[in-house]
Amino acid sequence: AQSVTQLGSHVSVSEGALVLLRCNYSSSVPPYLFWYVQYPNQGLQLLLKYTSAATLVKGINGFEAEFKKSETSFHLTKPSAHMSDAAEYFCAVSVPLGGAQKLVFGQGTRLTINP
Amino acid sequence: ETGVTQTPRHLVMGMTNKKSLKCEQHLGHNAMYWYKQSAKKPLELMFVYSLEERVENNSVPSRFSPECPNSSHLFLHLHTLQPEDSALYLCASSQDEMRGADTQYFGPGTRLTVL
Repeated sequence: AQSVTQLGSHVSVSEGALVLLRCNYSSSVPPYLFWYVQYPNQGLQLLLKYTSAATLVKGINGFEAEFKKSETSFHLTKPSAHMSDAAEYFCAVSVPLGGAQKLVFGQGTRLTINP
Repeated sequence: ETGVTQTPRHLVMGMTNKKSLKCEQHLGHNAMYWYKQSAKKPLELMFVYSLEERVENNSVPSRFSPECPNSSHLFLHLHTLQPEDSALYLCASSQDEMRGADTQYFGPGTRLTVL
C-alpha cells in the first residue's frame, strides 16, 4: 500500500536560510507525488507535483523538489526562506481509485521562519 | 465565485443536532472529495465521488452521510455527532483525466465544533 512519511513535524529556519522539508514514500508502482501548503485558516494549495516526467520539479513561490527513486524520497527545498513561507506543508502520494484518485498524506511539517 | 467554496466556514453544534456542510466547485471538474483534518491525525479521506457516483467510503461512521446531486455540488450531512468529530472538514475537486496525476483543488474548509 502507498504511504508517505514526513520527517520532522516542526522545522524552524532563519529568514534567508535554506528550507529543506523531507518526504519519503512507499509505493509498489511508480508514484505520483505532491507537495501542498496550508496557510492558517485556509485550505490546501498545490506547490508542485511529480508525474514521472523530469525528476527535478519546480513549483510556485520558489520551491522545488527532486524525485529520487533509489532513496524513495521527494524532499522539498527553497534556497532562501521568506517570512511568508511560514505554513504547514504536506507531502502526498496519489492512488488511482476508479474514475478518481485518492491522496494519502503525510503527517505534515510546520515551518517557522525566524527573523 | 471561483475555485472551491465551502459553507459555512464555522459551525458549532450539539450532539443531537442535524446539520449539513456544503461544497461547490466552479472549475468544471468531475470528481469531488471530503477530507477530515484533526489536530492529531494526518488528513483523512472520507468520501470520493466520480461523475456523481460514490467510489470510496473510507470506513466512515454512518453519522456522516454524503450527497452529490450533480458534479458541482457536494454535501456532508451530519447527525448525532460526537465531540471527537470536531475537526476541519475540507472539500476538494479534480478533473481526473491523468489517472492519478491530477491536481486536487481544495476549499477553505468548515471548522466544526461538537459540544
